[in-house]
Amino acid sequence: GQQVMQIPQYQHVQEGEDFTTYCNSSTTLSNIQWYKQRPGGHPVFLIQLVKSGEVKKQKRLTFQFGEAKKNSSLHITATQTTDVGTYFCAGISYSGAGSYQLTFGKGTKLSVIP
Amino acid sequence: DAGITQSPRHKVTETGTPVTLRCHQTENHRYMYWYRQDPGHGLRLIHYSYGVKDTDKGEVSDGYSVSRSKTEDFLLTLESATSSQTSVYFCAISVTHNTGELFFGEGSRLTVL
Repeated sequence: GQQVMQIPQYQHVQEGEDFTTYCNSSTTLSNIQWYKQRPGGHPVFLIQLVKSGEVKKQKRLTFQFGEAKKNSSLHITATQTTDVGTYFCAGISYSGAGSYQLTFGKGTKLSVIP
Repeated sequence: DAGITQSPRHKVTETGTPVTLRCHQTENHRYMYWYRQDPGHGLRLIHYSYGVKDTDKGEVSDGYSVSRSKTEDFLLTLESATSSQTSVYFCAISVTHNTGELFFGEGSRLTVL
């Protein structure tokens, strides 16, 4: 079945440093989604990427979808304490007969040292 | 936030007892999901529903059953809870199946002693 690997598992950064998390799929994806979960909270949708090579920005967050649609990244510029949380990718692949499968990566837990 | 309410939010129970978690939505979304979240495993799908009385299994469905008698309610039942089912359970809803944004509830923390 589809596997979605996410690295690193943990990342500690000094406030103001950049942060990147990577997501790699064993199969070609149709779309990829990114979610953020604050400590003690629930996952919240950030964005969905659909096109090969797509790059989208949300303020200090930059999301990329690889040309082969098998990998993606989330980059945060100049981290702030409000960025603390776990970031999940969710890979969506076509599974036939009009159906799609969504698989979450295990997440990257970001800690920001003030 | 989307109108999703999970109950109970916290529960402690003993091995072998039945447990039911409830997810209630006010968004009238067709698709509803139950996930469990465990350290090192991320979010894993237990069961999902694509309509009233229409449900299907996810990747970790053993030991769990679900029911959806109304559009707004999706129940997750552990017939005989085990310690391995200690977890945080999230309900989620979406407009489309596995292609659209998932809206998550606030979670139910279950401890099985």
